[in-house]
Amino acid sequence: DIVVTQSPDSLAVSLGERATINCKSSQSVLYSSNNKNYLAWYQQKPGQPPKLLIYWASTRESGVPDRFSGSGSGTDFTLTISSLQAEDVAVYYCQQYYSTPPVYTFGQGTKLEIK
Amino acid sequence: QVQLQQWGAGLLKPSETLSLTCAVSGGSLRGYYWSWIRQPPGKGLEWIGEINHSGSTNYNPSLKSRVTTSVDISKNQFSLKLSSVTAADTAVYYCARGGGSGGSCFGYWGQGTLVTVSS
Repeated sequence: DIVVTQSPDSLAVSLGERATINCKSSQSVLYSSNNKNYLAWYQQKPGQPPKLLIYWASTRESGVPDRFSGSGSGTDFTLTISSLQAEDVAVYYCQQYYSTPPVYTFGQGTKLEIK
Repeated sequence: QVQLQQWGAGLLKPSETLSLTCAVSGGSLRGYYWSWIRQPPGKGLEWIGEINHSGSTNYNPSLKSRVTTSVDISKNQFSLKLSSVTAADTAVYYCARGGGSGGSCFGYWGQGTLVTVSS
């Protein structure tokens, strides 16, 4: 299985400041035939299912504020929140969907709080 | 707007079989893979398996021997059975819509069902 590891495990950022969460996969999730990275980011608030924020490593899901952005390729990826809002307090997960046959795996999560 | 509504027994004894169903509204089962994902209390997410409208399945090898999924096109529903449960299977179970083929991320989720395994 592809192991996905996030850092840090928790993060405290002041309102209006930038938040950065990292995700590293144990093998490349870049599919050479289409040049797509099979990596997604989710936001989960207490008592709710995860919400898809970013797919193909950098494509924002419809309706997701543009302060959320994804970057990276191959094995190293980053989720950036450019200006933290109070409603962004949540746990964030990355997920790889590259494996064939499918064994989709998630990072362990990063808890984002307000400083 | 696609919506997933799930239900099933929330309290099981060890060795029993977990059974959950997810109904899809606002869209068809056709054209997508439909997954089950679980989250133990206070922990991260684990993908269990997926099925498409024709019954083609993929399972997490760690659970494959105990997992069965099925689909009912006429009711636009899909289901999960997990046999021989133990306390380690206590989790919130989610149904989710994946992609059409070639890898899935999950854009639509059910509300989650807490399943507790306790004697």
